[in-house]
Amino acid sequence: GQQLNQSPQSMFIQEGEDVSMNCTSSSIFNTWLWYKQEPGEGPVLLIALYKAGELTSNGRLTAQFGITRKDSFLNISASIPSDVGIYFCAGPTSGTYKYIFGTGTRLKVLA
Amino acid sequence: DTGVSQNPRHKITKRGQNVTFRCDPISEHNRLYWYRQTLGQGPEFLTYFQNEAQLEKSRLLSDRFSAERPKGSFSTLEIQRTEQGDSAMYLCASSLGIDRDVLEKLFFGSGTQLSVL
Repeated sequence: GQQLNQSPQSMFIQEGEDVSMNCTSSSIFNTWLWYKQEPGEGPVLLIALYKAGELTSNGRLTAQFGITRKDSFLNISASIPSDVGIYFCAGPTSGTYKYIFGTGTRLKVLA
Repeated sequence: DTGVSQNPRHKITKRGQNVTFRCDPISEHNRLYWYRQTLGQGPEFLTYFQNEAQLEKSRLLSDRFSAERPKGSFSTLEIQRTEQGDSAMYLCASSLGIDRDVLEKLFFGSGTQLSVL
């Protein structure tokens, strides 16, 4: 079945650094959603992408829909301690509204 | 706040007992999803509804699990004869889906954390 792989699995960075993470799929996606999840809470939607090559920003976050439609990228600029959490990508499986999630990238920011 | 609401937030039960969780989606949303998440993993799809119709179920949803959305508004997820392996966070999400090409976004509730002793 379709799978979403995220890398890196985890990151430890210094406050103020920029962060890049990506999500790759074994098949084409028409939508990419990026979420952040903190312990004990549900995922919070950060950015939605709907078109190949699309670049969308939300504050310090920027996400891109890969040209091949099999990948997506999330960048966080000038990280701050509250960026700590797990970042997930998600997309709908082919021909359905069933969204599958990636394996997650765990981000820790050192002050 | 009119986000997705889930109750209870936490549930501790003994193995073999039945439990029921409730999800109230964002009011105008017609699609409702249930996911399960275990520690260190991403959310795993369980099932979804379009209005009151349950359109897809995962193989993870054994016959001990049943979900309903009787009037196309709130939904319940029941687990019968709970097992320790059912311990997880159960997440509900909703979206406004109009047609296949709509720009859909899933919004999640805070989840129900189930612990089966």
